[in-house]
Amino acid sequence: DVKVTQSSRYLVKRTGEKVFLECVQDMDHENMFWYRQDPGLGLRLIYFSYDVKMKEKGDIPEGYSVSREKKERFSLILESASTNQTSMYLCASRPQAGGNQPQHFGDGTRLSIL
Amino acid sequence: GDSVTQMEGPVTLSEEAFLTINCTYTATGYPSLFWYVQYPGEGLQLLLKATKADDKGSNKGFEATYRKETTSFHLEKGSVQVSDSAVYFCALSSSGGGADGLTFGKGTHLIIQP
Repeated sequence: DVKVTQSSRYLVKRTGEKVFLECVQDMDHENMFWYRQDPGLGLRLIYFSYDVKMKEKGDIPEGYSVSREKKERFSLILESASTNQTSMYLCASRPQAGGNQPQHFGDGTRLSIL
Repeated sequence: GDSVTQMEGPVTLSEEAFLTINCTYTATGYPSLFWYVQYPGEGLQLLLKATKADDKGSNKGFEATYRKETTSFHLEKGSVQVSDSAVYFCALSSSGGGADGLTFGKGTHLIIQP
């Protein structure tokens, strides 16, 4: 089974801090994704990466950046955290590009910005 | 752009009742369609998928048929259990072949009462 591991289940940070959310997958997948999940809004794509050192903006990239230095690891960075970034963050991976392949999700990180 | 519309709920049913969760979509081309399930405190798990018109995806007693003529992918189960209580997401992946993420509906919260 594919395992997507997010480093923290719960995280509390303060406004203005630089925050790192880490995600690791163990199946040599090429594509990785970061979403945020908010009540009434569903899941929205922040950034994705189709290979090492590649990154593409999703639907809501403002206030975020990403890093993919190794194939198995995809990090989401909040440069200067704000309260409106309090949310559930979900990482996902997929073997390679191709719309008929499902994505595999981690358990999520619930981030609170105070 | 692509979009997915599903009933948000909560949907409350008694155990052994018949379940239908409606999902309709708007997309260019021929998307692949998915149902994901999220149990409390967990990430999303793939429930079933269909990649072309008239395909039927099925898993754990759940079924959904890809209806191109009505742009729908309704989720059904003949007899629900308390353990089916969760949030269900309908999603599509465009047929463009790139590494774009999934487009999700807002999720349907299902509550099964004993």
